[in-house]
Amino acid sequence: ETGVTQSPTHLIKTRGQQVTLRCSSQSGHNTVSWYQQALGQGPQFIFQYYREEENGRGNFPPRFSGLQFPNYSSELNVNALELDDSALYLCASSQSGVNTGELFFGEGSRLTVL
Amino acid sequence: GESVGLHLPTLSVQEGDNSIINCAYSNSASDYFIWYKQESGKGPQFIIDIRSNMDKRQGQRVTVLLNKTVKHLSLQIAATQPGDSAVYFCAENRAGRRALTFGSGTRLQVQP
Repeated sequence: ETGVTQSPTHLIKTRGQQVTLRCSSQSGHNTVSWYQQALGQGPQFIFQYYREEENGRGNFPPRFSGLQFPNYSSELNVNALELDDSALYLCASSQSGVNTGELFFGEGSRLTVL
Repeated sequence: GESVGLHLPTLSVQEGDNSIINCAYSNSASDYFIWYKQESGKGPQFIIDIRSNMDKRQGQRVTVLLNKTVKHLSLQIAATQPGDSAVYFCAENRAGRRALTFGSGTRLQVQP
C-alpha cells in the first residue's frame, strides 16, 4: 500500500510569484484535503476535493486553488504569493464515507516566501 | 466561536511515567474528536478518535477521555517512551463539515 506523497518537499519563492504543490493520495483513497500549517500552529483546512470537484473550503482567498485528477492525485496552486503564505502545506487523503478523522497525511511541502 | 485549544504548550515527563495531554473545545455541536501525533519533519499521524456518544476510548497504551459537560478531552499515554516525543494535536469535527479544526498543539518531551 502506497502512502500519501507530496512534492516538492521544500521550495523558496518570492512575493508575487505562483506555486504549484502536488500530492498523490494513498492507494484506494478518492478524497484529498489540503491544510496549511504555520510554524508552531495546528493545520488549517484549505479545501477538499472529491470526484475532481471542490467539496468544501476553509477561510482562504481565491488565489488558493486546486485540482484533482482522475487518478485522485491533486494539486494546490497559490497565486500572488505573500510572506504570510510561508508554511508547511499538508495533503491528506481519505476514502469518502469513512470517519473524517481517518485522514492519512503526507510529509508536507515546506514553502518559504521571501 | 469555534476554537479547539490546549492547556499547556509543552509537557515534559520522565520515561516510563504516564502522560496526560489536555484539550478544550468551545463548540457544543462538535461530535467527533481526534488526536494526532506529529513528529518533527513529518505529517500528523492519527492516534485515536472518539465520538460524542462515548466518554472513554482505549487504544494501545493510549486512552482518550471526553467530558462534554465542560467541553474537555484528554489523551493519556501509559508508560511514556522516548518515541512518544512529538507534538500532539486534538482536532474536532461535526456532522456536515468537511474539515477538521485543529488546536495549536502540545509538545511532549520524554526525559530518559
